[in-house]
Amino acid sequence: GESVGLHLPTLSVQEGDNSIINCAYSNSASDYFIWYKQESGKGPQFIIDIRSNMDKRQGQRVTVLLNKTVKHLSLQIAATQPGDSAVYFCAENGGANSKLTFGKGITLSVRP
Amino acid sequence: ETGVTQTPRHLVMGMTNKKSLKCEQHLGHNAMYWYKQSAKKPLELMFVYNFKEQTENNSVPSRFSPECPNSSHLFLHLHTLQPEDSALYLCASSPRIGNQPQHFGDGTRLSIL
Repeated sequence: GESVGLHLPTLSVQEGDNSIINCAYSNSASDYFIWYKQESGKGPQFIIDIRSNMDKRQGQRVTVLLNKTVKHLSLQIAATQPGDSAVYFCAENGGANSKLTFGKGITLSVRP
Repeated sequence: ETGVTQTPRHLVMGMTNKKSLKCEQHLGHNAMYWYKQSAKKPLELMFVYNFKEQTENNSVPSRFSPECPNSSHLFLHLHTLQPEDSALYLCASSPRIGNQPQHFGDGTRLSIL
């Protein structure tokens, strides 16, 4: 069936390094993708989104890359900080009236 | 502050109790959502409301009953829940249904005894 998944359950990076979190999706009809960050005791927080007519979008310290050929989405965080430690989720939407489908999440741990 | 407020933050109830979860959004959005978040599982969509009308019930058991009196408020009424219903219940809103970011509250941590 269609699914959204994350390659690794945890990622540990050194403070100041760049982080790359990857996500695979299988619904070729998906045309909208979102990354969320969830800190302990809080709800998911919107980070950045991208539509299928783009392959790259940049925000403040974050970049999302979309490769539709291999159905792959990644989130790059520049100069990772301790405050970036959280669980990150990718989500996809299969169309204008479709619901968001979420991946399981990956834990990012930043070493001081 | 996300603009989506959920109360209570924590709730412990017995299986025979009746309680309600409340969500209020101050973002002027027209779509609201209930999600269930269990450990090590993806977020599960439960209900969707668009302009106060329910547009999706994702095969949720009838012991969960949503109510949306207006576009700013969403309730989840609970009765005769089961232990497996213990989870974090998240409310979200978006300007409209479709390819829009959803903004989440911090959830209600529900424990069923």
